[in-house]
Amino acid sequence: GAGVSQSPSNKVTEKGKDVELRCDPISGHTALYWYRQSLGQGLEFLIYFQGNSAPDKSGLPSDRFSAERTGGSVSTLTIQRTQQEDSAVYLCASSPRQGAIYEQYFGPGTRLTVT
Amino acid sequence: DQQVKQNSPSLSVQEGRISILNCDYTNSMFDYFLWYKKYPAEGPTFLISISSIKDKNEDGRFTVFLNKSAKHLSLHIVPSQPGDSAVYFCAATGASGTYKYIFGTGTRLKVLA
Repeated sequence: GAGVSQSPSNKVTEKGKDVELRCDPISGHTALYWYRQSLGQGLEFLIYFQGNSAPDKSGLPSDRFSAERTGGSVSTLTIQRTQQEDSAVYLCASSPRQGAIYEQYFGPGTRLTVT
Repeated sequence: DQQVKQNSPSLSVQEGRISILNCDYTNSMFDYFLWYKKYPAEGPTFLISISSIKDKNEDGRFTVFLNKSAKHLSLHIVPSQPGDSAVYFCAATGASGTYKYIFGTGTRLKVLA
């Protein structure tokens, strides 16, 4: 079956511009995560969606970052007024449901470069 | 504060030998641990996991050991194969019902043919 897909795979943008990153989770997965991996760093949790519950936004680094998930499926991560320190690989993952016993299925990521 | 640490950024092993990747954690509330493998330009893929009620879990060539008193886990790959060359991340989560996974910084494994 289809895995998690992300688009675009690569994005180069100028400092100060807004960008939108898209994630299509595995059909039927109710949990969706966004992570960021900067060069030489581990995966940094950004935001979590579970069903119709309010998302956990505690990992978003600033108010320039926002995310939404429409219809419990596709999610969009938006970064406004991008800065060079936003350059990273942004990874989306989905999971069948909330809970520690369910591993996450990751998409290939979007490599964002802010010039 | 890095709650999950992988202190070796890289490791090289000869094909056929054992690869041992280490991970340390500081939060005693963590009760479930996972290993992921990541190839370049791909997302991480789940490899193996272990619950804190166990000290060992085995799946084919992959075995994860957990030492709760030392807050240490390790992934053993035996025998190592060139296709195992990748970056390996350990991740931890705590208290049943939570969903936040804390990832280490990864160890790049290179298996030499």
